[in-house]
Amino acid sequence: QQKVQQSPESLIVPEGGMASLNCTSSDRNVDYFWWYRQHSGKSPKMLMSIFSNGEKEEGRFTVHLNKASLHTSLHIRDSQPSDSALYLCAAPMSNYNVLYFGSGTKLTVEP
Amino acid sequence: EAAVTQSPRNKVAVTGGKVTLSCNQTNNHNNMYWYRQDTGHGLRLIHYSYGAGSTEKGDIPDGYKASRPSQENFSLILELATPSQTSVYFCASGDFREVFFGKGTRLTVV
Repeated sequence: QQKVQQSPESLIVPEGGMASLNCTSSDRNVDYFWWYRQHSGKSPKMLMSIFSNGEKEEGRFTVHLNKASLHTSLHIRDSQPSDSALYLCAAPMSNYNVLYFGSGTKLTVEP
Repeated sequence: EAAVTQSPRNKVAVTGGKVTLSCNQTNNHNNMYWYRQDTGHGLRLIHYSYGAGSTEKGDIPDGYKASRPSQENFSLILELATPSQTSVYFCASGDFREVFFGKGTRLTVV
């Protein structure tokens, strides 16, 4: 079983719309989550991290974390075609030296 | 910016042959990682290392070996390549705070 689960597998939103991506962990010791973004043909790059319960906002991107339910979500408002990418959620599990990644959500923003 | 360099960028190998994927980092990170990426599976961890001389198994180590001869270099070795190992392989360095990825190696085993 994959340690980090993401949903949906794919998502299409119109330009200017809101995209919402979800991620949960199967390890109850997980404290932190990361979101990475990977454009087609490129390598993943870190987008945002969240370590504490609540919400963190950076520009058009907002991340929520609920440690009790081991759930994090990424919300992109005013989505742009350049936001089209694979979004990967990651968590360190019990070994804080290693990140485990989910299978990703493929976001397509249609002009 | 953190630099992770992979070579080769593309490789075609024959079934049963030996393949070595190389990775070099100039970030002075202790930790290095090898992931493979297949459609629908995200990034899966093959091997990782805490420093020179150490290698650890990740989630999918079968069919792969790793070697960390120095702080800067981390290799992934496929002793007997199989078509199921056709994939994109990413090397990375860092720690749980942030991981920096190389540009990837596309390996095709025919």
